[in-house]
Amino acid sequence: DTAVSQTPKYLVTQMGNDKSIKCEQNLGHDTMYWYKQDSKKFLKIMFSYNNKELIINETVPNRFSPKSPDKAHLNLHINSLELGDSAVYFCASSPGQGLNSRQPQHFGDGTRLSIL
Amino acid sequence: AQKITQTQPGMFVQEKEAVTLDCTYDTSDQSYGLFWYKQPSSGEMIFLIYQGSYDEQNATEGRYSLNFQKARKSANLVISASQLGDSAMYFCAMREGWSFQKLVFGTGTRLLVSP
Repeated sequence: DTAVSQTPKYLVTQMGNDKSIKCEQNLGHDTMYWYKQDSKKFLKIMFSYNNKELIINETVPNRFSPKSPDKAHLNLHINSLELGDSAVYFCASSPGQGLNSRQPQHFGDGTRLSIL
Repeated sequence: AQKITQTQPGMFVQEKEAVTLDCTYDTSDQSYGLFWYKQPSSGEMIFLIYQGSYDEQNATEGRYSLNFQKARKSANLVISASQLGDSAMYFCAMREGWSFQKLVFGTGTRLLVSP
C-alpha cells in the first residue's frame, strides 16, 4: 500500500492552462505539505495544512491554490500556468507537532510538471 | 543567509568504503531537528536518519550515522561500506522549533559509488 500517493506522475501542458495535482495519504497523519523541486534539485516548501487548516504559506503566487477536503487529502490547483512553473512537485505528510516532530515527513513520488 | 549549507555538489566513493557528506546549519533556536533524505535517480525522497538538537547520542540507522557537532552547527552524514545502490542525491534538512514541521533543505550532494 502506497503511503503518500500523488496523481498524475507526469503532467505536460501549455502555458496559460489550469491544472490540478492530487495527493492522498493513508498514514493517518495530521499534517500535509506541498514542496517544489526546481531544475537544480532545490526543494522548497510551498504550503502546509494541519487537519484541513492552512498553517504554512510560503510567498507562493496566488495562481497556486491548495485545497484540503479532509486531513488525508491535499490537492494543488495551479491557474494560468507559466514556464517557470515547470518543476517536480512533491506532496508529503507527517504526524504533526510536539514530540511527533521527531517523525520524518513521508514524501510522495512527485509529479513532474512540464510547461510547453 | 542560508539555513542549511551542503558544500559538496558531488562526491565519489568506491564500493565498500565509507563516505562523509557535509551539512552545516544556521539557527538561533535551541530546539531543532535535522533530517537526511536520499533521492535516487527514480526521484522519490527516502528518509534516512534524524538527529534532535537535545539528543545526547549521535543518531545511527544501519549503515548511516550522523556526526553531530552542535557547537560547530554541523550534522554530517556518514555512510559506511558504500554500495552501488547508494548512488543518489542526498539532502540535509532542518526543522526549527517544535511547531509544525517546516523543513528547510540544503542544495544536496550527488554521491556516485563506483565498483
